[in-house]
Amino acid sequence: DQQVKQNSPSLSVQEGRISILNCDYTNSMFDYFLWYKKYPAEGPTFLISISSIKDKNEDGRFTVFLNKSAKHLSLHIVPSQPGDSAVYFCAAAKTSYDKVIFGPGTSLSVIP
Amino acid sequence: KAGVTQTPRYLIKTRGQQVTLSCSPISGHRSVSWYQQTPGQGLQFLFEYFSETQRNKGNFPGRFSGRQFSNSRSEMNVSTLELGDSALYLCASSLYGTGDNEQFFGPGTRLTVL
Repeated sequence: DQQVKQNSPSLSVQEGRISILNCDYTNSMFDYFLWYKKYPAEGPTFLISISSIKDKNEDGRFTVFLNKSAKHLSLHIVPSQPGDSAVYFCAAAKTSYDKVIFGPGTSLSVIP
Repeated sequence: KAGVTQTPRYLIKTRGQQVTLSCSPISGHRSVSWYQQTPGQGLQFLFEYFSETQRNKGNFPGRFSGRQFSNSRSEMNVSTLELGDSALYLCASSLYGTGDNEQFFGPGTRLTVL
């Protein structure tokens, strides 16, 4: 039973354009949402997070949008750069001290 | 500040054997979590230790166990290995909690079961 879903296994985007990575969740008890990025042969690194009291959080080129009623969040990368090519994991947790549930990941390729 | 280290980086075992993986968190971090990554499954949560106590547990069989020492270092043990246990095992540390806190991941241990 996958509680965090990323239905697009891969995504290709031209350099300079916007990348939109989507994530859906099934558990309405989730209150914290995070995005991690993973390069091959490295561990994931934290990118950005959002709590359920917000609907948007921005950090430089990265913006996460949360739509609680639709149980959907998205990560926008603008502008996309070749160095952004990686696997992006969406993750969620119910509380500050609860386990983090990860989605299966979306592989992003930014084409120069 | 040194990052999260995991040893060994690569391991090859045969079915039925047992294995112990080690994780050293970032200095000062008290929470250590373990994840299994397999193709198409993403990161599956195994368990989390905080101050030597298991605080959260995933849905893995009892063959998977762990512990945390007083210096926050953690070990994960898998007994009676099965072919399906072949995966990348990732360890992550954070200061207190994991839900809203950034976790810092190690490079992982690649386990191959033959």
